[in-house]
Amino acid sequence: GAVVSQHPSRVICKSGTSVKIECRSLDFQATTMFWYRQFPKQSLMLMATSNEGSKATYEQGVEKDKFLINHASLTLSTLTVTSAHPEDSSFYICSAQDRGGFNTGELFFGEGSRLTVL
Amino acid sequence: GDSVTQMEGPVTLSEEAFLTINCTYTATGYPSLFWYVQYPGEGLQLLLKATKADDKGSNKGFEATYRKETTSFHLEKGSVQVSDSAVYFCALLQGAQKLVFGQGTRLTINP
Repeated sequence: GAVVSQHPSRVICKSGTSVKIECRSLDFQATTMFWYRQFPKQSLMLMATSNEGSKATYEQGVEKDKFLINHASLTLSTLTVTSAHPEDSSFYICSAQDRGGFNTGELFFGEGSRLTVL
Repeated sequence: GDSVTQMEGPVTLSEEAFLTINCTYTATGYPSLFWYVQYPGEGLQLLLKATKADDKGSNKGFEATYRKETTSFHLEKGSVQVSDSAVYFCALLQGAQKLVFGQGTRLTINP
């Protein structure tokens, strides 16, 4: 199946710094990418939807200035957690939908990135 | 809003046991339903799906039937293997693109 790669898989940073997480579709063009956040023993919560070349659409309650999303190309989306604080520590997962996947619900997921803010 | 509720884990079974992981949903209309699986150290993968009532999705020995009357999509497998150990997520498609996930059920199969 299609491959989506996230980097880094783990990152530890100091409070107040910014962290960038990359999500790449390796063998297909992703017109739409999604960013999720997963708390321990809880569901994946959709944070935002990004379409290539346009601004991301954020879910209610997600601070767009805190979680900057850029989808500059059909194979790369980035999530930047700005001025990170310990409460931002979480598991962040991206997924991508290829052009043929629209309306079928099939998404291809990255391995996830665990962020720990000290 | 739409939501998905899964059986709480963790679930621990012996090899060759019968597996059921319950999933119920709340939604307007009749959304497509999915089971995703996350093996250790990997991303979520689509396991199976059903797009309308009474459809049965199946893959790798797993099955789930879309039950409109009970708003359920329970995952079953007749004989589990150690390699089935993973976290399983039930999900529904809200609108054209948004997946709403259950909380996940961790399954461990002992030899």
